[in-house]
Amino acid sequence: GAVVSQHPSRVICKSGTSVKIECRSLDFQATTMFWYRQFPKQSLMLMATSNEGSKATYEQGVEKDKFLINHASLTLSTLTVTSAHPEDSSFYICSASGGRDTEAFFGQGTRLTVV
Amino acid sequence: GQNIDQPTEMTATEGAIVQINCTYQTSGFNGLFWYQQHAGEAPTFLSYNVLDGLEEKGRFSSFLSRSKGYSYLLLKELQMKDSASYLCAVMDSNYQLIWGAGTKLIIKP
Repeated sequence: GAVVSQHPSRVICKSGTSVKIECRSLDFQATTMFWYRQFPKQSLMLMATSNEGSKATYEQGVEKDKFLINHASLTLSTLTVTSAHPEDSSFYICSASGGRDTEAFFGQGTRLTVV
Repeated sequence: GQNIDQPTEMTATEGAIVQINCTYQTSGFNGLFWYQQHAGEAPTFLSYNVLDGLEEKGRFSSFLSRSKGYSYLLLKELQMKDSASYLCAVMDSNYQLIWGAGTKLIIKP
């Protein structure tokens, strides 16, 4: 199957700093990328959907200025958690899709810990 | 509202068969996905159904009935490594994935 690489897999940062998470589709063009977060023992929560070259569409309750998403190319999307706080500690997962009728492939996930 | 229901937890014996059900109510339908997720890891794609019927892939099969808003994931010849959470997700009319809370499957020797 298609490969989606997410980096870093784990990151620890100090409160108030920013963290950037990268999501790359290695062998296909990802026209759409999805960003999720998952709290322990809970389902995945969609944060935003981004289409290449356009602004991301954020889900209700997700702060656009705090979670900056950039989808500048067909193989790369980034999520930047700005001014991170301990409550932002979570598991962040991206998935990439080559189009509306195709399945979405997931990255490995990033475990963010804010101390 | 949109809703995906699946059991919270199931227990089965190694070597046996288990069926995990998923019912959904969504605004439109563009396919149903099953994912496997081991603790601390990202979900792994298992199956995609968009037409009614059974799709078989090795030990795993997935069934869909669109008229009933129902799907199941069937796991045969269970192995200890199958212990994981199984997530049902439906793609709605806006091509957004609506996720169930997941079913934690516990395999006993």
